[in-house]
Amino acid sequence: AQSVTQPDIHITVSEGASLELRCNYSYGATPYLFWYVQSPGQGLQLLLKYFSGDTLVQGIKGFEAEFKRSQSSFNLRKPSVHWSDAAEYFCAVGAVAGNQFYFGTGTSLTVIP
Amino acid sequence: DAGITQSPRHKVTETGTPVTLRCHQTENHRYMYWYRQDPGHGLRLIHYSYGVKDTDKGEVSDGYSVSRSKTEDFLLTLESATSSQTSVYFCAISDPGRATEAFFGQGTRLTVV
Repeated sequence: AQSVTQPDIHITVSEGASLELRCNYSYGATPYLFWYVQSPGQGLQLLLKYFSGDTLVQGIKGFEAEFKRSQSSFNLRKPSVHWSDAAEYFCAVGAVAGNQFYFGTGTSLTVIP
Repeated sequence: DAGITQSPRHKVTETGTPVTLRCHQTENHRYMYWYRQDPGHGLRLIHYSYGVKDTDKGEVSDGYSVSRSKTEDFLLTLESATSSQTSVYFCAISDPGRATEAFFGQGTRLTVV
């Protein structure tokens, strides 16, 4: 069965510090992988996606993620966090069958001055 | 935002009453989804549709029904609302022929008292 694990419920970082949000997935084939961001009271916005090719993908707002098949991971990174990055981040895997999307439980990011 | 409109955006209803949430898209995407978002659970799929009159259950479908009579509209009905259905509901759309990701509406906050 497909599943996504985000082991960190909440992370606090200082503005300007680097960030890494962890995501592990379980899927029987090559997955489509996504990171979404949700600001308070808003819907989910796509940050980046991976479905084939280069395992390091670049997204919007300076984010990047690396697909590691051997570790079943798709961690999100940013070299220098801005206060506006404070939000909820969701990792998701897309299944070809039924075109369904499975989400992790999310990681809440707080940025302190 | 992708052309997705959810209505209403906020609703308070009493236990036992029927409630219908509407999702309207202007993107002509084939797939439409209803998710609920709850703290500690991330987004969980309620029902989805892969075409007009074609729907299927997700992981948390009990107590919910859906209908899709037109490509652009996907309705979620709570036949008899319960307090456990207090949640934020998100509609999403996708079309594998155009893009791998899902696009989300702004959400509907439903409170059952």
